[in-house]
Amino acid sequence: NAGVTQTPKFQVLKTGQSMTLQCAQDMNHEYMSWYRQDPGMGLRLIHYSVGAGITDQGEVPNGYNVSRSTTEDFPLRLLSAAPSQTSVYFCASSYSRGGGTEAFFGQGTRLTVV
Amino acid sequence: AQSVTQLGSHVSVSEGALVLLRCNYSSSVPPYLFWYVQYPNQGLQLLLKYTSAATLVKGINGFEAEFKKSETSFHLTKPSAHMSDAAEYFCAVTPSGGGNKLTFGTGTQLKVEL
Repeated sequence: NAGVTQTPKFQVLKTGQSMTLQCAQDMNHEYMSWYRQDPGMGLRLIHYSVGAGITDQGEVPNGYNVSRSTTEDFPLRLLSAAPSQTSVYFCASSYSRGGGTEAFFGQGTRLTVV
Repeated sequence: AQSVTQLGSHVSVSEGALVLLRCNYSSSVPPYLFWYVQYPNQGLQLLLKYTSAATLVKGINGFEAEFKKSETSFHLTKPSAHMSDAAEYFCAVTPSGGGNKLTFGTGTQLKVEL
């Protein structure tokens, strides 16, 4: 099983450019989410989805868009990259069973905005 | 909103010594609690979780954690540290009423010295 796959692993963007971070899972999980990891701040939730066609904002959604057209895929779009979006981004998925379920994480995408 | 606090952003122990990583949660109702580990340049992996079945939870790699409602704590321990335990550890919580939204602590970097 591949689990949660993120692409690319590394990316350098110029300020103002847009890009899409890809996330795919092969576990048929209903719940998917995007986090960003910054030193000393842990992981913060950007957007999440409880199923195909349903998305919602997390703690730090500004500057990011998501969509969920299939169960498997949950791409994260940066509309106009800013240096403050330099971070490591993680995608995660889990079953929706009323809480307490394990989240499975991808390997991360390290993004630098110059 | 529920949150977790990890005391000590860096902890250093000698190989063979006790590992103790601290986590306190803020909730009037016991939530679901998790410990995740992140090895360098990797995603997060579940160590163990508390879902109210038992207050002493055993996880992978010899780690365990005890849920103490009176202290609102969920500290992670391991009797004897190994060099391979060097990593960053995150305490996290999901709401007791259900849902998969993970809220993370700021993380503790564990260093194991010879």
